[in-house]
Amino acid sequence: RKEVEQDPGPFNVPEGATVAFNCTYSNSASQSFFWYRQDCRKEPKLLMSVYSSGNEDGRFTAQLNRASQYISLLIRDSKLSDSATYLCVATSAGGTSYGKLTFGQGTILTVHP
Amino acid sequence: GAGVSQSPRYKVAKRGQDVALRCDPISGHVSLFWYQQALGQGPEFLTYFQNEAQLDKSGLPSDRFFAERPEGSVSTLKIQRTQQEDSAVYLCASTKAGDGTDTQYFGPGTRLTVL
Repeated sequence: RKEVEQDPGPFNVPEGATVAFNCTYSNSASQSFFWYRQDCRKEPKLLMSVYSSGNEDGRFTAQLNRASQYISLLIRDSKLSDSATYLCVATSAGGTSYGKLTFGQGTILTVHP
Repeated sequence: GAGVSQSPRYKVAKRGQDVALRCDPISGHVSLFWYQQALGQGPEFLTYFQNEAQLDKSGLPSDRFFAERPEGSVSTLKIQRTQQEDSAVYLCASTKAGDGTDTQYFGPGTRLTVL
């Protein structure tokens, strides 16, 4: 079983739709969580951090449930430019940890006109 | 403000050949990571350097894989006697600090194809 698991999709949604991605992690020692975005044939780029209190950045909302070891990303009012692969990431950071990232498989999103 | 750079961007090797992949991290960044991304998968950790010290090589898939960062800046990932299963994108990332609290900045990757 992979340490971080995501539904690979693909998700095909029309412009303006709301779409939600889910992710679970198995390592209870994981401390920090992120969503990265990866465009086709490009490198991953940090989209946002994920906190237990929830984190909103414009149309994007991320949520962490430590008890369930579950992470989510909600995208509202989808744009064509949101089409990409979304990677769920866990890490142990701070103290003696150096922040090795553990990635999920990625969820493919295609937004169509 | 140059970002992380990697070379070559694309590499085609015949099975059995040795390859060397280069990573130039952001200037002054202490930490450097190598990841391997197979087609349709997320990146997987290979190895970690803090300055010139290789502190974690637990992700290297076999002893054919070797990485170094002799002067604490540029890093090279070497793969000996390449196999078809080595075909993947090799990503390098760097961070300013060595405690894992900073954002990792990724290079564009080297796409390795082994025929």
